[in-house]
Amino acid sequence: DGGITQSPKYLFRKEGQNVTLSCEQNLNHDAMYWYRQDPGQGLRLIYYSQIVNDFQKGDIAEGYSVSREKKESFPLTVTSAQKNPTAFYLCASKRSVNTDTQYFGPGTRLTVL
Amino acid sequence: AQKITQTQPGMFVQEKEAVTLDCTYDTSDQSYGLFWYKQPSSGEMIFLIYQGSYDEQNATEGRYSLNFQKARKSANLVISASQLGDSAMYFCAMREGPGTGGFKTIFGAGTRLFVKA
Repeated sequence: DGGITQSPKYLFRKEGQNVTLSCEQNLNHDAMYWYRQDPGQGLRLIYYSQIVNDFQKGDIAEGYSVSREKKESFPLTVTSAQKNPTAFYLCASKRSVNTDTQYFGPGTRLTVL
Repeated sequence: AQKITQTQPGMFVQEKEAVTLDCTYDTSDQSYGLFWYKQPSSGEMIFLIYQGSYDEQNATEGRYSLNFQKARKSANLVISASQLGDSAMYFCAMREGPGTGGFKTIFGAGTRLFVKA
């Protein structure tokens, strides 16, 4: 079964701790994306990667970091510098940067205690 | 700047009736793509339908159709024969062009649809 997996589904973190959210895809897609969604709002782009070993900041990259060492994996680290990290995080991928449809994983809900 | 506007925060529709969800967009690109996604309460984003800026025919996928009016910069989603399972949040999105946004996708704020039995 091809698709995008995100783990964990729910994540709790204490203030001041870094936490890493996993995103894996077996669709052989080049491009991968991380979005943040706050309650009742749309998606905002955190980081994206067009190809392995390359990534660019999105609109709200401060307090986040990513890596893209493998084509199928694009983990997101929420650092202690992110002032308000409680949100729903969605990972997406598409075949290449200039193709159109993004497909999404099931999301990770992060709560800072 | 590229922008997506969904003016209906919430909509009600009677089961089996059709409903139109509004979306307007703003871009200076000639080549762009428009999408609709459905987000149920579980949170996953489900791709529904896509319209390319050069497509002359309106896109259709089963009960979903996209009413594309390029001159008015609108891309409304029409759901025919609504079902209870259509109750969800619906997002309009636009894939930007290569020059301005590096093919990034931007999302509207969403419309919550409630289907009444």
